[in-house]
Amino acid sequence: AQSVTQPDIHITVSEGASLELRCNYSYGATPYLFWYVQSPGQGLQLLLKYFSGDTLVQGIKGFEAEFKRSQSSFNLRKPSVHWSDAAEYFCAVGVRGTYKYIFGTGTRLKVLA
Amino acid sequence: EAGVVQSPRYKIIEKKQPVAFWCNPISGHNTLYWYLQNLGQGPELLIRYENEEAVDDSQLPKDRFSAERLKGVDSTLKIQPAELGDSAVYLCASSPGTSGRIDTQYFGPGTRLTVL
Repeated sequence: AQSVTQPDIHITVSEGASLELRCNYSYGATPYLFWYVQSPGQGLQLLLKYFSGDTLVQGIKGFEAEFKRSQSSFNLRKPSVHWSDAAEYFCAVGVRGTYKYIFGTGTRLKVLA
Repeated sequence: EAGVVQSPRYKIIEKKQPVAFWCNPISGHNTLYWYLQNLGQGPELLIRYENEEAVDDSQLPKDRFSAERLKGVDSTLKIQPAELGDSAVYLCASSPGTSGRIDTQYFGPGTRLTVL
């Protein structure tokens, strides 16, 4: 069965520091991959997605993610975190041939001033 | 372009009371989704509509939950009667296409339900 694992429930970084959020998936083929961000009291906003092609994907707000098939990973990165990046981040897998998304349990990011 | 609109944003009710949530998707989006998000969890799909047809309601607890999308645009999700365990955020999302293939989903702000 398909699944998504976000190993880090909470991450704290200082403003200006770099960030990497981990996402591992279990899936029998090349998946569609997504990262969403959810600010407090808000819905999910799409940061970036990978369907095919270049495995390094650029998104909004200065985020990028890299698809690594050998590691079944799609980690999210940002070179310099801003206080406004504090939020919860969800990785999701889209199951090919269906419309279904499978979400991870999320990583809550705290940014220290 | 307006995003997905949901109302109310917050709702507090007593158990056994009915409650309804409303969603208006992005204009032109044929597919509409209702998700349940429990605290500390990712969203889980309750029901998916293609136009006015519910094409997947397998995860919807039909003894107390119902949904409709009569004209293929906005949608209502109802719980009757509500239970304590229904306290959660109810998210609506929409995507442009149909055909059952993966599409980028756009989410609304959600309705946070508290059942006392």
